[in-house]
Amino acid sequence: QSVLTQPPSVSGAPGQRVTISCTGSSSNIGAGYDVHWYQQLPGTAPKLLIYGNSNRPSGVPDRFSGSKSGTSASLAITGLQAEDEADYYCLSYDSSLSGYVFGTGTKVTVL
Amino acid sequence: EVQLLESGGGLAQPGGSLRLSCAASGFTFSSYVMSWVRQAPGKGLEWVSAITGSGGSTYYADSVKGRLTISRDNSKNTLYLQMNSLRAEDTAVYYCAKVRAAAGLDAFDIWGQGTMVTVSS
Repeated sequence: QSVLTQPPSVSGAPGQRVTISCTGSSSNIGAGYDVHWYQQLPGTAPKLLIYGNSNRPSGVPDRFSGSKSGTSASLAITGLQAEDEADYYCLSYDSSLSGYVFGTGTKVTVL
Repeated sequence: EVQLLESGGGLAQPGGSLRLSCAASGFTFSSYVMSWVRQAPGKGLEWVSAITGSGGSTYYADSVKGRLTISRDNSKNTLYLQMNSLRAEDTAVYYCAKVRAAAGLDAFDIWGQGTMVTVSS
């Protein structure tokens, strides 16, 4: 039972914008811990998309952006492309659990 | 090139043991916190354990505390996960991952390809 909640699925047509929420609590996101985002294609290891709430590693397209406010964070994908169809996970730290916590995961479908 | 390569997965009986290894290359291994993350078939990601660069501090998810032990050999650039008292619910792909920054609770930026552990009689 993850302490970070994401919608199970989101979908959009090519070119559209979609957002994925990651809702936590006062012991993780709300406590000021950073949120990171991952993309996982089928059968592959997760890939870091966003670190430190809103920073993109080298090589990640600027179509991906992250934000954080209060006890929640969001990942936005603009100009949706077929290759964006994947599972997406948020990650943060929880002081009550004294460990990292992943979100429940969101499957993005490109219509 | 920065790379992580896991090995040691396989089939184990309930109550049995396995030791996973993760060979690191392309970076100063001893400077970074390392972690294990697992993913049960068809399920989401679950953080399992982490260890500081020196190996002096270790951290565990409640679900594995007392059964799984993380360690590292900096002279061999290798991370380990000793898995004892295995349960069916430990069945998963196990990934090793490097923390991005040399200090602090940062993202996992480099991941291995994963190794499958199946616990079944």
